[in-house]
Amino acid sequence: QKEVEQNSGPLSVPEGAIASLNCTYSDRGSQSFFWYRQYSGKSPELIMSIYSNGDKEDGRFTAQLNKASQYVSLLIRDSQPSDSATYLCAGPNNFNKFYFGSGTKLNVKP
Amino acid sequence: DTEVTQTPKHLVMGMTNKKSLKCEQHMGHRAMYWYKQKAKKPPELMFVYSYEKLSINESVPSRFSPECPNSSLLNLHLHALQPEDSALYLCASSQEGEIYGYTFGSGTRLTVV
Repeated sequence: QKEVEQNSGPLSVPEGAIASLNCTYSDRGSQSFFWYRQYSGKSPELIMSIYSNGDKEDGRFTAQLNKASQYVSLLIRDSQPSDSATYLCAGPNNFNKFYFGSGTKLNVKP
Repeated sequence: DTEVTQTPKHLVMGMTNKKSLKCEQHMGHRAMYWYKQKAKKPPELMFVYSYEKLSINESVPSRFSPECPNSSLLNLHLHALQPEDSALYLCASSQEGEIYGYTFGSGTRLTVV
């Protein structure tokens, strides 16, 4: 079983809508998770980190961590065409090593 | 300085060549990483250096040889590669501790011919 599972998509949403990206993990002891955005041909960019149960908000982005259900999600409010990218869930960070999910490709349609 | 700098950005090499990829960071991060990424796949961990010592080798073939000359520099030496080694090679760094994510460099696009 993979450490981190992610729906590969693609996920299509209209401009201005909320995009919801989800990730599940297998290690109950996991503490910290990260969301990366990767544009085609570019390197991953860290956009959110979360290590406490509940929600963490940063601008249009909200990360959610539910340790009881072992899932992590990323909500993008007021989605813009510039948000079109692949979103990678990553975690946990154990001894300087964490696993990436397979990535979800998001397409925001104007 | 909040960047990880990788050189070269593009590299084409023959199967008998020897080349090196370079990575530099000046954020004081003590953990540095090499990842390999194939098209439409997530990054795959290759090596982890912690405090300039190799701490993780994900069973990478010996034709890839990492080196950490000091806390700011990370090299990946390449020798006798195969065409299937063509990929985007990403360097990353982070602070020690599980709450810290990685900062990635822009990558080296490697083509083996």
